[in-house]
Amino acid sequence: QVQLVESGGGVVQPGRSLRLSCAASGFTFSSYSMHWVRQAPGTGLEWVAVISDDGGNKYYADSVKGRFTISRDNSKSTVYLQMNSLRAEDTAVYYCARDLTGSTWDYWGQGTLVTVSS
Amino acid sequence: QSALTQPASVSGSPGQSITISCTGTSSDVGGYNFVSWYQQHPGKAPKLMIYDVTNRPSGVSNRFSGSKSGNTASLTISGLQAEDEADYYCSSYTSSSTYVFGTGTKVTVL
Repeated sequence: QVQLVESGGGVVQPGRSLRLSCAASGFTFSSYSMHWVRQAPGTGLEWVAVISDDGGNKYYADSVKGRFTISRDNSKSTVYLQMNSLRAEDTAVYYCARDLTGSTWDYWGQGTLVTVSS
Repeated sequence: QSALTQPASVSGSPGQSITISCTGTSSDVGGYNFVSWYQQHPGKAPKLMIYDVTNRPSGVSNRFSGSKSGNTASLTISGLQAEDEADYYCSSYTSSSTYVFGTGTKVTVL
């Protein structure tokens, strides 16, 4: 069955960096675009970034553009989110999600919590 | 990109029908048939309920249906059940090749 498992979250100081990973299994990873979506405590969902199936196309939310980088390793069935210059407002649970149709997230991971605090 | 507008809360009695609206602009909801709806229970990951405005994934109850008119999409839950109590979010593709979620709606079963 399809599984997405995020890792790499934790507590980090403002201005520092963190890299999240999302290991996929149960489907042909290289055939799907992948997304990162986040949810700050007690608030709604916010789309963060997407990477196409071959890694050739990437798009970002304005709130993270220039600071976050999405990448993938199809040989490892893993998608990454490199987060630099972290701010308090980046504190959230980060989910990776599989893209079903180009605009639909049909499978989600359990999420990994990132806390940016001094 | 501003979040799509949803009512903060909607409630109904068991067996009733409720509708949640999701209002955007011609650059997102109104411009594409790429609206999805997600259900999220506390502490859980979101679950896909409707995609491409009206399509229901396998395994999702047919009590859930979606529609769109102009810049506003809607999710209707018929035959409301206790298990439907959750937060619901719409999402849309945008003209910037990005994606935007709605503000979220808390559904309460009275």
